[in-house]
Amino acid sequence: DADVTQTPRNRITKTGKRIMLECSQTKGHDRMYWYRQDPGLGLRLIYYSFDVKDINKGEISDGYSVSRQAQAKFSLSLESAIPNQTALYFCATSDPSAPHTDTQYFGPGTRLTVL
Amino acid sequence: GQQLNQSPQSMFIQEGEDVSMNCTSSSIFNTWLWYKQDPGEGPVLLIALYKAGELTSNGRLTAQFGITRKDSFLNISASIPSDVGIYFCANTNAGKSTFGDGTTLTVKP
Repeated sequence: DADVTQTPRNRITKTGKRIMLECSQTKGHDRMYWYRQDPGLGLRLIYYSFDVKDINKGEISDGYSVSRQAQAKFSLSLESAIPNQTALYFCATSDPSAPHTDTQYFGPGTRLTVL
Repeated sequence: GQQLNQSPQSMFIQEGEDVSMNCTSSSIFNTWLWYKQDPGEGPVLLIALYKAGELTSNGRLTAQFGITRKDSFLNISASIPSDVGIYFCANTNAGKSTFGDGTTLTVKP
């Protein structure tokens, strides 16, 4: 079974709709992240959380919000989706107590299309 | 903020050829990481470098941490079709990772 799972894997929605993308992990890691990937632009950080009570904005947080419901769950919401939020979204985790704390473990991604 | 310049943006090579890609920055870093993203999946760590001048191998992959601490190189020897994907360099500061824009590798059989 995958350690980091994302639901849904694909979603098509319309402009103005509210969308929630969910991420769950069984790795027991405290740190969780949401990234957005656009063709040719690599991975850009949207939000990150270092523990259940900690939420931080990344470089492109406008138009997004997050919720850390538990150590294992980190959800990303688009309150009113717009077409330029069409992208591939990745959740990731990391373990600050591990010998090499820099490694990130990614989920399989959610492909979101906003019409 | 930090910016990583990764090149080339894409490569089209014949199976069996060697591949070289690099990543540069204007800032000094203590780590360099290389990830690979297979089509339809999330990135996976290939090699991590933690010391200037360090040269590390993982099978046919070899990566080096530049002596200036501002760059890193990834080489793939004797490429095979499953090497297809996007390769990202990355580094981390205060628990957050910054990624390059990626090098997309296509391998022709």
